Amino acid sequence: EAQVTQNPRYLITVTGKKLTVTCSQNMNHEYMSWYRQDPGLGLRQIYYSMNVEVTDKGDVPEGYKVSRKEKRNFPLILESPSPNQTSLYFCASSRDQRTDTQYFGPGTRLTVL
Amino acid sequence: QKEVEQNSGPLSVPEGAIASLNCTYSDRGSQSFFWYRQYSGKSPELIMFIYSNGDKEDGRFTAQLNKASQYVSLLIRDSQPSDSATYLCAVKDFGNEKLTFGTGTRLTIIP
Repeated sequence: EAQVTQNPRYLITVTGKKLTVTCSQNMNHEYMSWYRQDPGLGLRQIYYSMNVEVTDKGDVPEGYKVSRKEKRNFPLILESPSPNQTSLYFCASSRDQRTDTQYFGPGTRLTVL
Repeated sequence: QKEVEQNSGPLSVPEGAIASLNCTYSDRGSQSFFWYRQYSGKSPELIMFIYSNGDKEDGRFTAQLNKASQYVSLLIRDSQPSDSATYLCAVKDFGNEKLTFGTGTRLTIIP
């Protein structure tokens, strides 16, 4: 089954404790992105990747890191999480750049205390 | 900063009627336009994309694009209770993967 998987689905952590949210897709897609979704602010792009070893900032990259060492994986790293990073995070992948049929993962709900 | 504006709603429409969802965008360079549907607690799913002026129809859904007015809309004909969801408008420039979403319109179909 074609899918995007994220782990963990739920995470409660404390300020400053490094964490990684994994994202993996099995569709051989070149393009992958991370978004955060907050009430009243909608979905905002954090980082995106157009291919292996090619990443770029979205609209809200501060406090986040990403890497794309393999085509299928695109982990999101929070080196020192803060409470303002409490949010719902989505990973997405797409094959076609123009039509951009993005397939979203199920989401990761992160709470930083 | 590119902006995408949507009326947050809620928009209530009787079952069987036409639901009309609207979106305006600020960047004239935007090339591709998307409508996503998001059920409560779920991830967004693509309904339609459009990149040429005019109408594009897919089943009960019609996307309309007017680049001169920087306006894109989604019409849902014969609305069903299962159409109750939040609808997200998104725009993208061709050549990069920066996708900007509106905050979404919450649609409720009343049986």
